[in-house]
Amino acid sequence: NAGVMQNPRHLVRRRGQEARLRCSPMKGHSHVYWYRQLPEEGLKFMVYLQKENIIDESGMPKERFSAEFPKEGPSILRIQQVVRGDSAAYFCASSPRLNQPQHFGDGTRLSIL
Amino acid sequence: GQQLNQSPQSMFIQEGEDVSMNCTSSSIFNTWLWYKQDPGEGPVLLIALYKAGELTSNGRLTAQFGITRKDSFLNISASIPSDVGIYFCAGQDGNFGNEKLTFGTGTRLTIIP
Repeated sequence: NAGVMQNPRHLVRRRGQEARLRCSPMKGHSHVYWYRQLPEEGLKFMVYLQKENIIDESGMPKERFSAEFPKEGPSILRIQQVVRGDSAAYFCASSPRLNQPQHFGDGTRLSIL
Repeated sequence: GQQLNQSPQSMFIQEGEDVSMNCTSSSIFNTWLWYKQDPGEGPVLLIALYKAGELTSNGRLTAQFGITRKDSFLNISASIPSDVGIYFCAGQDGNFGNEKLTFGTGTRLTIIP
């Protein structure tokens, strides 16, 4: 019974490049959430998606960041024209329906050179 | 964005001791969750609480949902080496699709040999 799968585990990009982070939710889970964690801090909410819909993007920066959860395939968090401040661990979580606990993947650690 | 206040920030204990940590918020939550995070991994769900005043156990762990809905407590009895890690509380509103988790600042638990 696979958990939330994120890839890649580590991603290195140069300033100005694009970063694509992928998340496959647990089987049977149709709700996906993305969070960002800086060193020595708690996780900060970015965006909540259901299949083909963005439900809540109140934590997502207005520029350069986008997320999708297509009908088929994983959820993608896309960061365009990355800057040093984007360096962080990005975690994806999923839940089967509303008001159910969110289960997390092991994250993608993004480093910007 | 809001972060919940967790205390203590860090704890140094001996194996076998009991541990207590708490989390407070300026706003009400309808669900409280406790997660543990090991280095390089994602948060793992320990306990979920859904009702004010609720007391729930999971093995040596016991958590309570504060009666005011603005706080929660986690206790670990008879600590063992694998308890080492960072513990995060998280609050969730859950109303009208507001599913995002607001995380605490974390409590780092270290066991002194």
